[in-house]
Amino acid sequence: GAVVSQHPSRVICKSGTSVKIECRSLDFQATTMFWYRQFPKKSLMLMATSNEGSKATYEQGVEKDKFLINHASLTLSTLTVTSAHPEDSSFYICSARDSAWVPNTGELFFGEGSRLTVL
Amino acid sequence: AQSVTQPDIHITVSEGASLELRCNYSYGATPYLFWYVQSPGQGLQLLLKYFSGDTLVQGIKGFEAEFKRSQSSFNLRKPSVHWSDAAEYFCAVANRGSTLGRLYFGRGTQLTVWP
Repeated sequence: GAVVSQHPSRVICKSGTSVKIECRSLDFQATTMFWYRQFPKKSLMLMATSNEGSKATYEQGVEKDKFLINHASLTLSTLTVTSAHPEDSSFYICSARDSAWVPNTGELFFGEGSRLTVL
Repeated sequence: AQSVTQPDIHITVSEGASLELRCNYSYGATPYLFWYVQSPGQGLQLLLKYFSGDTLVQGIKGFEAEFKRSQSSFNLRKPSVHWSDAAEYFCAVANRGSTLGRLYFGRGTQLTVWP
């Protein structure tokens, strides 16, 4: 089946630095990818929709200058956490849409997640 | 406001017992409905989905879910749980009006299986 890969799976950084997380669709093209954030013991929160070749669409309350998203190709979206702080520590998960989102054919595939720890 | 509710934070069952995980949604119209499973430190795997048609949906790993419009529910069931089913389970919805596949998740139910 379709595979979505994230890298790195774990990253530790110092407060004030920036961290980039990659999300790749390995065997299909994804014009749209989604970034989620998962807090401990909490649900996944949709952060933004990443569109290939255009600006990302952010959910309400998500700081676009803090979480920079770039979707430069049909197989790669990146999330950069800028000037990271301890409160940005979380599990970040991406998903990619395989083909058109229509009933019974479209499906989202999720990456393995990236755990960010900001010291 | 739209919402997805999983009322049970943690459920413990014995191996071989039956399982039902609850999910209720609050939407203006019937959304697309999903159940995902997440193992520790892993991404999410789709168990099953409901778009339309038969309200009893069969999924992978022996799971099924039933959509009940009158109750705005989409409960997940399995007749006999295996130890490998221990994981976090998420109910999710997508707006039928959305063509992009944005999902909104419940808070999850942690399943523990006793041997």
